[in-house]
Amino acid sequence: KNQVEQSPQSLIILEGKNCTLQCNYTVSPFSNLRWYKQDTGRGPVSLTIMTFSENTKSNGRYTATLDADTKQSSLHITASQLSDSASYICVVSEVDSSYKLIFGSGTRLLVRP
Amino acid sequence: EAQVTQNPRYLITVTGKKLTVTCSQNMNHEYMSWYRQDPGLGLRQIYYSMNVEVTDKGDVPEGYKVSRKEKRNFPLILESPSPNQTSLYFCASRRGTLVDEQYFGPGTRLTVT
Repeated sequence: KNQVEQSPQSLIILEGKNCTLQCNYTVSPFSNLRWYKQDTGRGPVSLTIMTFSENTKSNGRYTATLDADTKQSSLHITASQLSDSASYICVVSEVDSSYKLIFGSGTRLLVRP
Repeated sequence: EAQVTQNPRYLITVTGKKLTVTCSQNMNHEYMSWYRQDPGLGLRQIYYSMNVEVTDKGDVPEGYKVSRKEKRNFPLILESPSPNQTSLYFCASRRGTLVDEQYFGPGTRLTVT
């Protein structure tokens, strides 16, 4: 069964610190991997999209990496801010006729002053 | 402004009373889908539509109906809501290929008593 697993489930860091979130997937065949940020009670917002041929992509203080061989991705947040407090969701796109996206259950990040 | 809108944002209803959640996008996207989000679970796809008059079941379609009569609108219909359909619902759209950006609506929080 195609799955996307994220770790840790939750994380608390101090403002200004860096952190790394992990994503492992078993989706095959695989098209692309996305990271979304979801504020509480709001719709997810895209941070990055990486195809299987890309191994890193940045969006401001967010940097995603992808290792398609080991089926692992990470999202690194640099110099965290209070506004980074949110859930971060890893999403893998399966290559099939439905253009299906498979969602991880997310990592809940809390940045404290 | 490019956006996906949903209405209502909040709804409390009783078991068995038919309801419709509307979804509209202004980006001329072919692909639209509905998800539900429950605590501890990733977003799960209910139905999707690849174009006008083309709809198909996602992972959790039981108890839901959809229609796609116009490109911009994709309503979600609960003919006879039950308490297990209490959830946070998101509509999403994207242009139509595997690598396109997917945009989410703001969410509809539904409570069925």
